[in-house]
Amino acid sequence: DSGVTQTPKHLITATGQRVTLRCSPRSGDLSVYWYQQSLDQGLQFLIQYYNGEERAKGNILERFSAQQFPDLHSELNLSSLELGDSALYFCASSGQGNFQETQYFGPGTRLLVL
Amino acid sequence: AQSVAQPEDQVNVAEGNPLTVKCTYSVSGNPYLFWYVQYPNRGLQFLLKYITGDNLVKGSYGFEAEFNKSQTSFHLKKPSALVSDSALYFCAVRDTWGATNKLIFGTGTLLAVQP
Repeated sequence: DSGVTQTPKHLITATGQRVTLRCSPRSGDLSVYWYQQSLDQGLQFLIQYYNGEERAKGNILERFSAQQFPDLHSELNLSSLELGDSALYFCASSGQGNFQETQYFGPGTRLLVL
Repeated sequence: AQSVAQPEDQVNVAEGNPLTVKCTYSVSGNPYLFWYVQYPNRGLQFLLKYITGDNLVKGSYGFEAEFNKSQTSFHLKKPSALVSDSALYFCAVRDTWGATNKLIFGTGTLLAVQP
């Protein structure tokens, strides 16, 4: 167990809908990262937050947004869902978010868009 | 741009034999390299990392990796494979450009250990 929790584990929804994925980092970790794992794109970085502030953006669609709350948990919001958004979404956390730190991953949320 | 390559989609090995999962990298500056393992329907589990120092890095579950700067490689190894090692293995490099600390992952190598 990495100490990173994600809810829900599975999500099935329809095209055009909006969903929210939740992540709680390891105790004391200030940085949260979101990644998407799909068959065609592999593992891709989406976005990083550090202590409530956005630090870096990757290949995140405009339909997707995220935030990190004062208690350091993070939410990834996916809207106007398309079939191609079906994927496994991982959250990871690390202490300060510097280069040397290990990122610990949660179990993921598997999203299926029908 | 920083990148990692895992040239083998799948590696097959018999239980008890040594295993190697290959990874090569391309970075500007010092590489920060990681190995993760993903079991079916599970998240990514950290195995080991190379930041600096000894070229042979020891990690979890008896795995180790050898950093080779001249060959830009970071191969994952284990002296004696177990059936329970069967999983998907990812090599990753930390992107140190700008303020991002994102991980750039390889495409993954499926390790199949036969009894």
